[in-house]
Amino acid sequence: KNEVEQSPQNLTAQEGEFITINCSYSVGISALHWLQQHPGGGIVSLFMLSSGKKKHGRLIATINIQEKHSSLHITASHPRDSAVYICAVPLSQGAQKLVFGQGTRLTINP
Amino acid sequence: ETGVTQSPTHLIKTRGQQVTLRCSSQSGHNTVSWYQQALGQGPQFIFQYYREEENGRGNFPPRFSGLQFPNYSSELNVNALELDDSALYLCASSFSGNYGYTFGSGTRLTVV
Repeated sequence: KNEVEQSPQNLTAQEGEFITINCSYSVGISALHWLQQHPGGGIVSLFMLSSGKKKHGRLIATINIQEKHSSLHITASHPRDSAVYICAVPLSQGAQKLVFGQGTRLTINP
Repeated sequence: ETGVTQSPTHLIKTRGQQVTLRCSSQSGHNTVSWYQQALGQGPQFIFQYYREEENGRGNFPPRFSGLQFPNYSSELNVNALELDDSALYLCASSFSGNYGYTFGSGTRLTVV
């Protein structure tokens, strides 16, 4: 079993739909990251959160530390949101060894 | 403030050759981590450099080595390339004790 599991692995939706991507982890953490990777390969950091909820534009990330679970939501999805979304967890306090989920490939059709 | 720059963007090498990949960290960052991402997989931690010293290593053989320079830029060297080394290599920089990471766009290495 992977230390960081994401679901679903692939998700196709129509423009405008509400999207949810889930991340469960088994390692102890102090913060969880949501990242976005476009086909070119570069990774953009979307959120870093250790409790509660964060919102940026149409993106919302939530985390439940007790349940070791986080979700990334996209409201009013748009084709430009099509990308791979990855959650990542640092293994220990201060460590930069991130353990990544396998990613969720999101495709938004017009 | 500049971001993280990786070079080259693409590279094709022959099995058995050696390769050097480069990463310039974001201004103000003193720590660089390298990751290998095989096709369809999440990135895997290779190693981390902090103030020119290796500060943590993943499950990669010794033919993967690195350097960090006084300006905190970094190199990843891979000797005796194997076909399975074909992947996207990502570096990420941050300031020690700060969980904010900046990732580069990666170097796509193809070994033939």
